[in-house]
Amino acid sequence: AQKITQTQPGMFVQEKEAVTLDCTYDTSDPSYGLFWYKQPSSGEMIFLIYQGSYDQQNATEGRYSLNFQKARKSANLVISASQLGDSAMYFCAMREGHGSSNTGKLIFGQGTTLQVKP
Amino acid sequence: DVKVTQSSRYLVKRTGEKVFLECVQDMDHENMFWYRQDPGLGLRLIYFSYDVKMKEKGDIPEGYSVSREKKERFSLILESASTNQTSMYLCASSPPGLAPTGELFFGEGSRLTVL
Repeated sequence: AQKITQTQPGMFVQEKEAVTLDCTYDTSDPSYGLFWYKQPSSGEMIFLIYQGSYDQQNATEGRYSLNFQKARKSANLVISASQLGDSAMYFCAMREGHGSSNTGKLIFGQGTTLQVKP
Repeated sequence: DVKVTQSSRYLVKRTGEKVFLECVQDMDHENMFWYRQDPGLGLRLIYFSYDVKMKEKGDIPEGYSVSREKKERFSLILESASTNQTSMYLCASSPPGLAPTGELFFGEGSRLTVL
């Protein structure tokens, strides 16, 4: 069965430093997608970044990058140059299937609360 | 921009009441989902729907039902609310499988307290 694990309930980072949020996953499907979402205290879920299992390069979106290590089944989120506004809960998620074959459902990890210190 | 609107941000209900959580999306998405979010457990899928009048159980459907009479609207129903259903409920939608990433678009959430 597919599973997503985030082992860091809470993290602190100094403003302007980089931080890595860990995510490991388990699936027997060779085709899958990995996502990261940000949830500020307001409650909305904001999509940050996506990595497909067949993508050769790590995904990047501005200050966000996804460190995809397929053999280790890890998909860590790296936030560079942290800002105070990055303080939020972060969720890793996975979807089995890819492109036209995907089912649309996401399974989520437990979440990591990130606090950025000034 | 995609907009997913949940009818109530905060609700307080009594044990045994029937509760309706409404969700409307304005981007003609086929797929709609209801998740429940609890501390330390992340988001767990309750029900989802791929089309009007279609529904499928997620991981934790017990105590819930859903209705999708129109494409844009997906309702979550608690037939007889219980205190263990106190939680944050998140509705989401997504385009069909051919979308590049198929990410979910979420509403702002409905925080339900059952007394």
